[in-house]
Amino acid sequence: EIVMTQSQVTLSVSPGERATLSCRASQSISTNLAWYQYKPGQAPRLLIYGASTRATGIPARFSGSGSGTEFTLTISSLQSEDFAVYYCQQYNNWRPTFGGGTKVEIK
Amino acid sequence: EVQVLESGGGLVQPGGSLRLSCAASGFTFSSYAMSWVRQAPGKGLEWVSAIGGSGFNTYYADSVKGRFTISRDNSKNTLYLQMNSLRVEDTAVYFCARIWSFQPHHAPTDYWGQGTLVTVSS
Repeated sequence: EIVMTQSQVTLSVSPGERATLSCRASQSISTNLAWYQYKPGQAPRLLIYGASTRATGIPARFSGSGSGTEFTLTISSLQSEDFAVYYCQQYNNWRPTFGGGTKVEIK
Repeated sequence: EVQVLESGGGLVQPGGSLRLSCAASGFTFSSYAMSWVRQAPGKGLEWVSAIGGSGFNTYYADSVKGRFTISRDNSKNTLYLQMNSLRVEDTAVYFCARIWSFQPHHAPTDYWGQGTLVTVSS
């Protein structure tokens, strides 16, 4: 099983500031990585797939980078609606796995 | 508009059974693989199971293999999860999600439902 590690459990950021979230895979997954935004009581939302491609309707302030085992999600200027939990997920094999999540909270 | 809507959650005793359903609309259901993902209280997301668009290929997490069965009825645009021999640790919100591919692997999940709560407790 490929283990995904999001080392930042919580990230405290002020509105308008940049947030940088990290995700590490236990083995190379090429660019088979997605990022999701989750707010309790709502459906998780796909933000990024292929490590760096924004999903339909996702604002340009969200960007993804990385390949192999190290990945980053950057939110360039945090808006109030961006405070949520973010998960990375690898889909490099038949058993996709998620990171533990990073909660982005208001500083 | 793509929509998936879960139902069937509830309270069940350990060792009991429950069947979850997921009604899909807004897309050609048979062209897409589907999956179930869960979130236990205070925990992160955990992939549970996936099924190909035809229904022939199925995959399970080790934690549910042999107890859960995923299936689909393409004539009814509905996905199912039959859960048997339920354990306290199966307590979670269960999400239905569309996989952006006909095959149930090597693709992200692009649309999710809001989830249905399953509580396993005596």
